[in-house]
Amino acid sequence: EAQVTQNPRYLITVTGKKLTVTCSQNMNHEYMSWYRQDPGLGLRQIYYSMNVEVTDKGDVPEGYKVSRKEKRNFPLILESPSPNQTSLYFCASSFSWTSGETQYFGPGTRLLVL
Amino acid sequence: GNSVTQMEGPVTLSEEAFLTINCTYTATGYPSLFWYVQYPGEGLQLLLKATKADDKGSNKGFEATYRKETTSFHLEKGSVQVSDSAVYFCALSDSSGGSNYKLTFGKGTLLTVNP
Repeated sequence: EAQVTQNPRYLITVTGKKLTVTCSQNMNHEYMSWYRQDPGLGLRQIYYSMNVEVTDKGDVPEGYKVSRKEKRNFPLILESPSPNQTSLYFCASSFSWTSGETQYFGPGTRLLVL
Repeated sequence: GNSVTQMEGPVTLSEEAFLTINCTYTATGYPSLFWYVQYPGEGLQLLLKATKADDKGSNKGFEATYRKETTSFHLEKGSVQVSDSAVYFCALSDSSGGSNYKLTFGKGTLLTVNP
């Protein structure tokens, strides 16, 4: 089944404790990205990747890192999480980046930083 | 920059009622327009899209027409069901020069359909 998977689905952590949220897709997609969803703000892009070893900042990259060493994986790293990073995170992918391309979203990771 | 404004909810309807969720956009280039739906506890999934002016996207009884003259992409359904209860997001993408490679989303509209 074609899908985007994220792990973990739920995570409670404490301020400053490094964490990684994994994202994997099995559709051989070149483009991948991370969004966070907050009440009243909709979804905002954190980082994106056009292909292996090609990443760039989105609208809200502060406090996050990413890497793209393999085509299928695009982990999101919070090196020193803070409470303002409490949010619902979505990974998305598509075959390439063109204007009309459909994005496929993962199920989401709900993060609480205490 | 690009932006999407959609009708803020929540919207509560009875089963079989007519649904409209308004969406207008601002874009510097020639955007594609999307409606994504998020069912409770799930990720977003594409509901429908339109890639050029006057295109109509449709799926599962929902439809929306890309109106360049009014910069709008309103979502409609003639008869909603309880299973349509979800959050609906209007979004655009624009790959003409200078834009970030991202979807620009509206804030979402929560729809609740009562039996």
